[in-house]
Amino acid sequence: DGGITQSPKYLFRKEGQNVTLSCEQNLNHDAMYWYRQDPGQGLRLIYYSQIVNDFQKGDIAEGYSVSREKKESFPLTVTSAQKNPTAFYLCASSISGVTTDTQYFGPGTRLTVL
Amino acid sequence: QKEVEQNSGPLSVPEGAIASLNCTYSDRGSQSFFWYRQYSGKSPELIMFIYSNGDKEDGRFTAQLNKASQYVSLLIRDSQPSDSATYLCAVNAYGGSQGNLIFGKGTKLSVKP
Repeated sequence: DGGITQSPKYLFRKEGQNVTLSCEQNLNHDAMYWYRQDPGQGLRLIYYSQIVNDFQKGDIAEGYSVSREKKESFPLTVTSAQKNPTAFYLCASSISGVTTDTQYFGPGTRLTVL
Repeated sequence: QKEVEQNSGPLSVPEGAIASLNCTYSDRGSQSFFWYRQYSGKSPELIMFIYSNGDKEDGRFTAQLNKASQYVSLLIRDSQPSDSATYLCAVNAYGGSQGNLIFGKGTKLSVKP
């Protein structure tokens, strides 16, 4: 079964903690993306990567970090510097990251700060 | 600032009717346009994409693009209660090798039996 998996489905974070969200794909896609969605809002791009060992900041990268050590994996760390991290986090991938590529989404991780 | 605008709704239509969802975008250089459906609490799933001016049909769905007016729409014929969801318009405004999308806030559609 090809697809994108995200874990955990729900995550609770205490103030001051760093947490890491997992995103794995077996679609052999080169490009991967992380978005954040707040209630009633569209998706906002956090980070993206078009190739292994390379990634770029999106529109709201402050307080987040990523790595891309393997083609299949693009984990997102939400650091304590992110002041309002409660949101729905979505990982996506596309074949090569060019203009016409379709992005496919994982099931998402819902992060709540306690 | 590149923007994508959608009417937040809710748009309510009776079962069997045509639902019309609209989206405008700010960047005249935009090249690729996507419609995603998002059920409450779930992740977006692709409905259609369109690159060229005109209409593109896929089953009950028709995407319409007018680059001169910077306008893209999605028509859903014979609407079903299962079509009730939020529809997200996404636009690639960067061109070339950068596949980043800009999303609208979505239009909530409710199909009444």
